[in-house]
This record gives sequence, C-alpha cells and structure tokens, in this order.
Amino acid sequence: EAQVTQNPRYLITVTGKKLTVTCSQNMNHEYMSWYRQDPGLGLRQIYYSMNVEVTDKGDVPEGYKVSRKEKRNFPLILESPSPNQTSLYFCASSPWTGELFFGEGSRLTVL
Amino acid sequence: KQEVTQIPAALSVPEGENLVLNCSFTDSAIYNLQWFRQDPGKGLTSLLLIQSSQREQTSGRLNASLDKSSGRSTLYIAASQPGDSATYLCAVKATNYGQNFVFGPGTRLSVLP
Repeated sequence: EAQVTQNPRYLITVTGKKLTVTCSQNMNHEYMSWYRQDPGLGLRQIYYSMNVEVTDKGDVPEGYKVSRKEKRNFPLILESPSPNQTSLYFCASSPWTGELFFGEGSRLTVL
Repeated sequence: KQEVTQIPAALSVPEGENLVLNCSFTDSAIYNLQWFRQDPGKGLTSLLLIQSSQREQTSGRLNASLDKSSGRSTLYIAASQPGDSATYLCAVKATNYGQNFVFGPGTRLSVLP
C-alpha cells in the first residue's frame, strides 16, 4: 500500500531533550516536506526536500533540522525542543506530477 | 508571494444540500491545485487534483473547477451527508523550482442530519 509513515504518532517530552520524528514514503517520490499545524495558524511549512541531499527552509525552520540521505526517508530533528514547538506535525511527499500525499500526523507536546 | 484564501471559514448546512467551497490565490502562475479533506486531529486526505491545463475534475459527488486567470477554484459537493463534515483545504503548487505548495486556511464544514 502506498503511504507516508510517521513515527511516533504521539510524543510528550521535556524542554531541551533532543528528539527525532521519522518520515518514510514507499512511493519513490522526489519531493518531501514537513509541516506544522497550529490552531488559527493553519499549515506552515518547516523544511522541504526536492531530492536526496537537497533540502531547503520553509516558512518556519527555526529550531528544526532535517536530512535527506535516502530518497524514502526525511527525518525531522528537534535538537533542543521548546514549548512553542508543541504542535501537530505532518510529513508529506509528492512525485513530479505534483499530487501531495500526507502522513497521519505526529502530535508533539513539549513540557 | 503566493497567498491562498478560502471563503467561508465555516459553513453549516442541512443534510442533502448542494454546496460550494471557494479557494482564491493571488498568483495565477500555478502548476496545479489540490483539494484536501481533514478530519479533526487527523491527516490530510487528497480529494481532487487539477493540473493547470485542466478546468475541472470530478470524483463521485465532488467536482472541483479551476479558473487560473481569475485565481479561483471551487469545490462543489452534491447531496451533502453528515459524513462530509470536515475541514476542506486547498493548496496550490507554484511553477518555480524551490517554491512549492501553499495552503489555504481551510473551510470547516458541518452537515447536520
């Protein structure tokens, strides 16, 4: 089944404790992206990647890191999480035809 | 910079009504436009994708149209059902490399039994 898989789906952590949210797609898509969704602010892009080893900042990249060493994986790294990074995070991927596919989301709470 | 708006922000209709959701974008140089459905706390499910060369797409009770010159898209839902209750978002993909998907804020739809 074609899908975008995120893990963990739910996470509660404390300020400053490094964490990684994994994202994997099995559709051989070139493009992958991370978004965060907050009430009243909609979907905001954090980082995106046009292909392996090619990443770029989105609208809200501060406090996040990404890497794209393999085509299927695009992990989101929070080196030192803060409470303002409490949010619902989505990973998405797309082929060059441009249809965007989303993962189920990861709800992160930073205490 | 591309901006996407959606009107109305929220809509409540009785079951069985036909309804239209609107999406507007400021830059007509788009590659495609996509409509999504999102249930509370869940991921986004793709409903319809319209390429820039197309005028409309249909899937079941859903019909999406695209007018690039006026910067508008509409999502038409026929014979609405309570199961259609969700937030509907539109997103445009820019043509330029390095620019990508821009999302609207969504329309929250409630279909009352």
